Amino acid sequence: GEDVEQSLFLSVREGDSSVINCTYTDSSSTYLYWYKQEPGAGLQLLTYIFSNMDMKQDQRLTVLLNKKDKHLSLRIADTQTGDSAIYFCAESTFSGGYNKLIFGAGTRLAVHP
Amino acid sequence: EPEVTQTPSHQVTQMGQEVILRCVPISNHLYFYWYRQILGQKVEFLVSFYNNEISEKSEIFDDQFSVERPDGSNFTLKIRSTKLEDSAMYFCASSGGQGPSTDTQYFGPGTRLTVL
Repeated sequence: GEDVEQSLFLSVREGDSSVINCTYTDSSSTYLYWYKQEPGAGLQLLTYIFSNMDMKQDQRLTVLLNKKDKHLSLRIADTQTGDSAIYFCAESTFSGGYNKLIFGAGTRLAVHP
Repeated sequence: EPEVTQTPSHQVTQMGQEVILRCVPISNHLYFYWYRQILGQKVEFLVSFYNNEISEKSEIFDDQFSVERPDGSNFTLKIRSTKLEDSAMYFCASSGGQGPSTDTQYFGPGTRLTVL
């Protein structure tokens, strides 16, 4: 079945770049998403990429997609303490107007001074 | 900016009781979803809803669960007889509005359900 895997923890120094990786299994995925969850809060959409794209840049965020390897990454440039959160990768398959998201377990990003 | 809202933020109930979790999706959205996240586990899809009927449901969404859109704004998840294992954070999401990606799902802040 569909599955999404992420490493569970990443620690970086403030000002460095963070790279969070994700692998997925469903080759028919049409959209891939990154959501951010701060402590006690909901899921905030960060960015998404269509499966026919290789890269998408949005300010400090860069998403890279390797469709052949089913590998997705999120790079955060100049990481700040406010970026400390859990980052979820999710895949979806568009189906008649709606899509069902399959989430990874989340990567906890810790940013230290 | 429009957002999905959920009430209550935290619900405590006794095992066997019925609970209703409420959501107000983004107003021009057409597709509605419930997900849950048991503490320390993945966010799991429960159900999707469109045009006043369920589009898809997971195996978690058994006969104890139901969803309803009782009016033009609210979307509810009912658990008829709660079990201890229903304790989780429940997220509502909506999609299908105007804009560059009508398929992107926007999530509410969640309702933490604790079953004692």
